Amino acid sequence: DTEVTQTPKHLVMGMTNKKSLKCEQHMGHRAMYWYKQKAKKPPELMFVYSYEKLSINESVPSRFSPECPNSSLLNLHLHALQPEDSALYLCASSRLPGETQYFGPGTRLLVL
Amino acid sequence: GNSVTQMEGPVTLSEEAFLTINCTYTATGYPSLFWYVQYPGEGLQLLLKATKADDKGSNKGFEATYRKETTSFHLEKGSVQVSDSAVYFCALNPARQLTFGSGTQLTVLP
Repeated sequence: DTEVTQTPKHLVMGMTNKKSLKCEQHMGHRAMYWYKQKAKKPPELMFVYSYEKLSINESVPSRFSPECPNSSLLNLHLHALQPEDSALYLCASSRLPGETQYFGPGTRLLVL
Repeated sequence: GNSVTQMEGPVTLSEEAFLTINCTYTATGYPSLFWYVQYPGEGLQLLLKATKADDKGSNKGFEATYRKETTSFHLEKGSVQVSDSAVYFCALNPARQLTFGSGTQLTVLP
């Protein structure tokens, strides 16, 4: 089983709202990733967690705040987003850092 | 640096046609190579992978061979179906991070 789940599937938020995206895997994977994907483009890496610790932050604005409460769960907290942040947000996990990544279905975010 | 170059899309084929999507790469070391597929409105699914030179990855009738001498990992399928319509991404992971190609949109017509 290589399932990564993400909630919600769709999210609409205003620029003053605070919301969170959730990602979960129960495969015992120790690396988890957040990506942002704009239409007709490949995913862009945002954050990497290895063994529940943030290991890579690809110069992402502070209005995006990741959190890894335990080895199965990854959150992305959103605050004061801009319309250009509208995109598909993908979570992925791998057994160990650098190994094959398995993606979730994504959360489609619209910022008004 | 590390990079992946995919053939420009979109690609439109008739059902049962032969498919090739070219992928070449530049990388340091010995990366693993991947093909991911993204169906409309969905996330990425791992289609196949190869971890060393001359390995052939295969899944659902798709194949790709890791060619170190030509730094290529071309995706092929002998007979495409309408359900294969999707965007295909070639990727490599030379430094613990995935580097993606630009993606190739495939449309298969009945």
